[in-house]
Amino acid sequence: EAQVTQNPRYLITVTGKKLTVTCSQNMNHEYMSWYRQDPGLGLRQIYYSMNVEVTDKGDVPEGYKVSRKEKRNFPLILESPSPNQTSLYFCASRMDSSYEQYFGPGTRLTVT
Amino acid sequence: KQEVTQIPAALSVPEGENLVLNCSFTDSAIYNLQWFRQDPGKGLTSLLLIQSSQREQTSGRLNASLDKSSGRSTLYIAASQPGDSATYLCAVEVDSNYQLIWGAGTKLIIKP
Repeated sequence: EAQVTQNPRYLITVTGKKLTVTCSQNMNHEYMSWYRQDPGLGLRQIYYSMNVEVTDKGDVPEGYKVSRKEKRNFPLILESPSPNQTSLYFCASRMDSSYEQYFGPGTRLTVT
Repeated sequence: KQEVTQIPAALSVPEGENLVLNCSFTDSAIYNLQWFRQDPGKGLTSLLLIQSSQREQTSGRLNASLDKSSGRSTLYIAASQPGDSATYLCAVEVDSNYQLIWGAGTKLIIKP
């Protein structure tokens, strides 16, 4: 089954404790991206990757890091989480602009 | 700067009715427009993708139109069902890096 998986689905952590949210897709998509979704603000892109070893900032990259060492995986790293990073995070992938974007189920992160 | 607006923010209609959701964008220079559905606790599901050269796309009971010159798109849902209850999001792709600019969504409730 074609899918994007994220782990964990739910995470409660404390300020400053490094964490990683994993994302993996099994569709051989070249493009992957991370979004955060906040009430009243909609979805905002954090980082995206056009291919292996190619990553770039989206609209709200501050406080986040990503890596793309292999095509299927695109982890999101929060080196020192802060309460304003409490949000719902989505990973997505697509083949190119002719095709729709596939989303993971989301990771709800709470930073206290 | 591209901005995407969805009105209304929420809509409640009786089962069986046909309905229209609206999406407007400020800059007509888009690659495509996509409609998504989001169910509580789940990720986003792509419904329809309209390329900038197209006027509409259809999938089952759904029909999406695109008028670039006026900066508008509509999602028409025929014969609505309770299972159509969800939040509907539109997004426009604005550059060759596949960046999507999102509307805030319309929360749709179909009453049995």
